[in-house]
Amino acid sequence: AQSVDQPDAHVTLSEGASLELRCSYSYSAAPYLFWYVQYPGQSLQFLLKYITGDTVVKGTKGFEAEFRKSNSSFNLKKSPAHWSDSAKYFCALVSGGSNYKLTFGKGTLLTVTP
Amino acid sequence: EAAVTQSPRSKVAVTGGKVTLSCHQTNNHDYMYWYRQDTGHGLRLIHYSYVADSTEKGDIPDGYKASRPSQENFSLILELASLSQTAVYFCASSGAPSQNTLYFGAGTRLSVL
Repeated sequence: AQSVDQPDAHVTLSEGASLELRCSYSYSAAPYLFWYVQYPGQSLQFLLKYITGDTVVKGTKGFEAEFRKSNSSFNLKKSPAHWSDSAKYFCALVSGGSNYKLTFGKGTLLTVTP
Repeated sequence: EAAVTQSPRSKVAVTGGKVTLSCHQTNNHDYMYWYRQDTGHGLRLIHYSYVADSTEKGDIPDGYKASRPSQENFSLILELASLSQTAVYFCASSGAPSQNTLYFGAGTRLSVL
């Protein structure tokens, strides 16, 4: 069975600092990995995805993520962080087989202080 | 612009009552999903569907039924609502989920009293 772990429930940093949100996964085959963001009171929006190819993928809003097969991680990064980045971030994994479904981590609540 | 519309946006239900949450998409997507969001649990998949008139169980299907009468519509049904089903419910659609992104609806806040 597949799983996604986001070990940090809450991250706080100052505006202008670099942010890195951690995500690790467990899956026996090649993973398809995604990051989504949920702003306060809103639904989820797509940020970026890794399917294959370059291990550093760039997404919307200046975010990027690095896929590391060696330690099964897919960390989200941005520098510098802005107060408007304050939101909840979800890492997700697509499992394959005959039926596809997306498994989400529990999310990391990011607070960027001005 | 891709669109997923959920109704109602919020609902208060009584324990033991029947609740139906509706979802409509105009994306021409084959896949549709129902997730619930609870504090501390992230998003958990309840049911999904990849073709009309067929639904599949997700990770937490107990206490829920789903219906996909057409490509555009996907409903979540709580036959006997319980307190533990108080949550925010999100519907989403996608093309082949291995590569395509999910488009989420605005969510339905359900309170079971």
